[in-house]
Amino acid sequence: DTGVSQNPRHKITKRGQNVTFRCDPISEHNRLYWYRQTLGQGPEFLTYFQNEAQLEKSRLLSDRFSAERPKGSFSTLEIQRTEQGDSAMYLCASSSTSGPLREETQYFGPGTRLLVL
Amino acid sequence: QKEVEQDPGPLSVPEGAIVSLNCTYSNSAFQYFMWYRQYSRKGPELLMYTYSSGNKEDGRFTAQVDKSSKYISLFIRDSQPSDSATYLCAMNNPAGGTSYGKLTFGQGTILTVHP
Repeated sequence: DTGVSQNPRHKITKRGQNVTFRCDPISEHNRLYWYRQTLGQGPEFLTYFQNEAQLEKSRLLSDRFSAERPKGSFSTLEIQRTEQGDSAMYLCASSSTSGPLREETQYFGPGTRLLVL
Repeated sequence: QKEVEQDPGPLSVPEGAIVSLNCTYSNSAFQYFMWYRQYSRKGPELLMYTYSSGNKEDGRFTAQVDKSSKYISLFIRDSQPSDSATYLCAMNNPAGGTSYGKLTFGQGTILTVHP
């Protein structure tokens, strides 16, 4: 068990470009979450999946954002037509609905730091 | 007003001090309360979690929840320089349905423990 991994770790892009981030959860974790964290703030919930189903999306997730988890394993988060305000750390977390701690225990990846110029 | 309020600090203490970190919240439906530690440029790491009101101790860390006051605390005893990090409180509402997994975080408190 290597923990939650995210790629790339850093991304610099120009305004208007599209970017895609990948998250690989802890194996056999059926829930996967995306959060966004800006400097000096706590993470803010964006969306989450149970298996391949996207169960909830935050109002923060504009139409330019789309997330997928096609086979219930890894997930991708795409941002289209990036804006400078999208600059942030994008965090992925996973959890399991089985076991004693259930989904209260979310394990976070190292994050992808996005800078939009 | 944010659902979860946390004093961002920064908080600077000498090694060996007892540290008290706190959060207040407004949503009485929150049931699970967590503390995460985040080192610079890293993802949050779970330290403690507590269900409903009460205390929980784990080594040098003690988490307290007072639901009547909507107030949670994390105490760190015998603080060490390696405890220097940002501490985030988080909570969620097991109301069932699709909102169960969503965590709501505080802003985070920056802690520095100096030798």
